[in-house]
Amino acid sequence: QVQLQQSGPGLVKPSQTLSLTCAISGDSVSSNSAAWNWIRQSPSRGLEWLGRTYYRSKWYNEYAISVESRITINPETSKNQFSLQVNSVTPEDTAVYYCAREKGGFDYWGQGTLVTVSS
Amino acid sequence: QSALTQPASVSGSPGQSITISCTGTSSDIGSYKYVSWYQQHPGKAPKVMIYDVSNRPSGVPDRFSGSKSGNTASLTISGLQAEDEADYYCSSYTSSRIYVFGSGTKVTVL
Repeated sequence: QVQLQQSGPGLVKPSQTLSLTCAISGDSVSSNSAAWNWIRQSPSRGLEWLGRTYYRSKWYNEYAISVESRITINPETSKNQFSLQVNSVTPEDTAVYYCAREKGGFDYWGQGTLVTVSS
Repeated sequence: QSALTQPASVSGSPGQSITISCTGTSSDIGSYKYVSWYQQHPGKAPKVMIYDVSNRPSGVPDRFSGSKSGNTASLTISGLQAEDEADYYCSSYTSSRIYVFGSGTKVTVL
């Protein structure tokens, strides 16, 4: 059974960096058949795909156009997890952030982390 | 990349069938089989109900079915039940190598 456990702060100040981690159990971040995604949800923007990392003989990253200048998703193979960093956050980045495995749609999701951007 | 277009709400009585549409473009739904549907209850993470247009994950009732025609995908719930009341979202891969989601549809069981 795959489980994704998210961790990270729920409050970030404007202009600072949002950092979240998603620990994987029951699968491997280095899997050749899965991809590891970050998705966020807010009342104003709905569900918004942010990006993904995946391994197919080498590592690939793909990011949403709306955030690609501010976002980094990194695999951490030694800990079997992956991370999200969003730089220069504004109140518009306030949302519930989810990590999700992609293997037949987004089939497993983390529990969600409400991140509020406020001073 | 614009969000996919869904009706804001759909309702039906128990036992009835309802269909939710999801309209995109030739750059997303029209070009890829990677269309999926998600059910979300309040305060919960989304749950995949259909992937790759019409495939149902293990454990999802066969009352849920998916299809695609041109730039529009559809989710049909047959034999509507009270527990089907939730928000539903579609998603598609795109030619920009990103995913987009639909605006969401609230399903009400009357």
